[in-house]
Amino acid sequence: QKEVEQDPGPLSVPEGAIVSLNCTYSNSAFQYFMWYRQYSRKGPELLMYTYSSGNKEDGRFTAQVDKSSKYISLFIRDSQPSDSATYLCAMSDTTGANSKLTFGKGITLSVRP
Amino acid sequence: DSGVTQTPKHLITATGQRVTLRCSPRSGDLSVYWYQQSLDQGLQFLIQYYNGEERAKGNILERFSAQQFPDLHSELNLSSLELGDSALYFCASSQGVSSDTDTQYFGPGTRLTVL
Repeated sequence: QKEVEQDPGPLSVPEGAIVSLNCTYSNSAFQYFMWYRQYSRKGPELLMYTYSSGNKEDGRFTAQVDKSSKYISLFIRDSQPSDSATYLCAMSDTTGANSKLTFGKGITLSVRP
Repeated sequence: DSGVTQTPKHLITATGQRVTLRCSPRSGDLSVYWYQQSLDQGLQFLIQYYNGEERAKGNILERFSAQQFPDLHSELNLSSLELGDSALYFCASSQGVSSDTDTQYFGPGTRLTVL
């Protein structure tokens, strides 16, 4: 079992839809949770960052973390064609000196006009 | 534009060869990270350097090595290349040493094709 599992997709939705992207993880030591967005032929860029369980909102984006279930989600409200990209979840633990990011494989989202 | 530059953009080479990928971090960033992205494995952390010193190691093969120079640019050397090394290689940089609390800014990547 991989440390981080992400729904494989792809996902296609109409403009204006609410999108829910999810990741599960197995390592209880993960403390920091991130969502990256990667446009075609570009490098990933940080979208959202959370530390604790609960919700964090930034404009049309909401990141949710449930540490008890080892489950994180990214919600996109009023989705736009410009949201079409690959979304990767990432997480990190702080145990030891070898702190590193572990990524999900990513899900490709397409928002149809 | 993240401010991280990578060269070359594309690289096509043959099995058994050796290549060097180059990365220049954002101005002021001391950490450089290398990642490999492939369809089957996703984005995988290879290695981190902070201010010239190796800081953290991930799933980096023994055939691969990296270094960070005094001007903070970094090079990733891949040798005895195999077909399976074909992938996108990303460099990222951050201000500090912590890979979790410091935002990492990714470069545009180098696409390596091994024939």
